[in-house]
Amino acid sequence: GAVVSQHPSRVICKSGTSVKIECRSLDFQATTMFWYRQFPKQSLMLMATSNEGSKATYEQGVEKDKFLINHASLTLSTLTVTSAHPEDSSFYICSARSSIRTNYGYTFGSGTRLTVV
Amino acid sequence: AQTVTQSQPEMSVQEAETVTLSCTYDTSESNYYLFWYKQPPSRQMILVIRQEAYKQQNATENRFSVNFQKAAKSFSLKISDSQLGDTAMYFCAFMKPEETSGSRLTFGEGTQLTVNP
Repeated sequence: GAVVSQHPSRVICKSGTSVKIECRSLDFQATTMFWYRQFPKQSLMLMATSNEGSKATYEQGVEKDKFLINHASLTLSTLTVTSAHPEDSSFYICSARSSIRTNYGYTFGSGTRLTVV
Repeated sequence: AQTVTQSQPEMSVQEAETVTLSCTYDTSESNYYLFWYKQPPSRQMILVIRQEAYKQQNATENRFSVNFQKAAKSFSLKISDSQLGDTAMYFCAFMKPEETSGSRLTFGEGTQLTVNP
């Protein structure tokens, strides 16, 4: 079945530094990638939607200069948290969808726990 | 905008018993999809079941079935013969197919289900 590999699974960084999270679709072409943020015991909050080769569309209230999304190929999307601060600590999840798959299947990565100290 | 409501933050059930999780949604669309996702302690999002709004027949997947009431905008999940491995957070999700925005998912708040031995 479809697999999305998300790395790293856990990362600890110092305040003020940048962190990159990668999501790769291993056996299908991800024409659309979604990036979510999830706080403990809460739902997934959509941060942005990216289509391959075009700029990401950010949800209201999400700083596009802070959360840089790149979707340069059909198998790779990255989320870079720039100048991270403790309030950016959270669980980040990516989800990929292929336009070829007609069942509107979404494949999720395993998530990245970011801790900013 | 679509909204999804799960009114049960927590539920518990005895192993081998049956439990029903509630979900209601609000939309003016006629063509859409509904999903139930499971997020176990590993935090990997797993698709449990999917329902197309144009189908009157309720979807079933082994021990999991839904009661889809389109007029009432209700989409409950029934888990039969509950197993310890069913312990997880369950999210109801809505999707309206959109050509341009990648068909985003709208999630409910989640229901934490605990299966007791």
